Amino acid sequence: AQSVTQLDSHVSVSEGTPVLLRCNYSSSYSPSLFWYVQHPNKGLQLLLKYTSAATLVKGINGFEAEFKKSETSFHLTKPSAHMSDAAEYFCVVTSWGASKLTFGTGTRLQVTL
Amino acid sequence: EPEVTQTPSHQVTQMGQEVILRCVPISNHLYFYWYRQILGQKVEFLVSFYNNEISEKSEIFDDQFSVERPDGSNFTLKIRSTKLEDSAMYFCASSEVGEQPQHFGDGTRLSIL
Repeated sequence: AQSVTQLDSHVSVSEGTPVLLRCNYSSSYSPSLFWYVQHPNKGLQLLLKYTSAATLVKGINGFEAEFKKSETSFHLTKPSAHMSDAAEYFCVVTSWGASKLTFGTGTRLQVTL
Repeated sequence: EPEVTQTPSHQVTQMGQEVILRCVPISNHLYFYWYRQILGQKVEFLVSFYNNEISEKSEIFDDQFSVERPDGSNFTLKIRSTKLEDSAMYFCASSEVGEQPQHFGDGTRLSIL
């Protein structure tokens, strides 16, 4: 069984300040973890992926995430938020050999001036 | 960059009618998926498809649902007799053989009246 918990349904930051979106996972086997972003009326775009290589993963648009097995966490960070980062972010898990992705409930990121 | 294409973007159908949602996966991908997102809820896995057969399906994917790859490019989801609760955004995704991540289309918004 696999699941993810996104600890915040809504995060608001000021432009230029750091972003932290929190995610904890549960998986019976070695997980693959992803962050996807969904802008309004658009599809799901892959930000970054962890698949048992380096624990610090760099993605697009300056985002990165760190896999911490001891904490079962995969938090998404960005040093400096931009207005264009406002969107819904999903933490996603799958296990080796499984075809389905299991999504978290999403975190809506609001960026203010 | 190659992308997954879904048509139509919005489908309005009377309850009890059949509906077919269409997807064109990325051309060199061999695994195909459907997910749905009911308004305000998380993205849920429906079905995965490989080598012309279903490889995994969720409990949501009952006898009212079917998938087909009618030719070398299209991948379709059919709902035989739609219900009000089928109203949702439906996402198609594809991936290369044995490799995540899955690439998503922009979705079809299905509205059942």
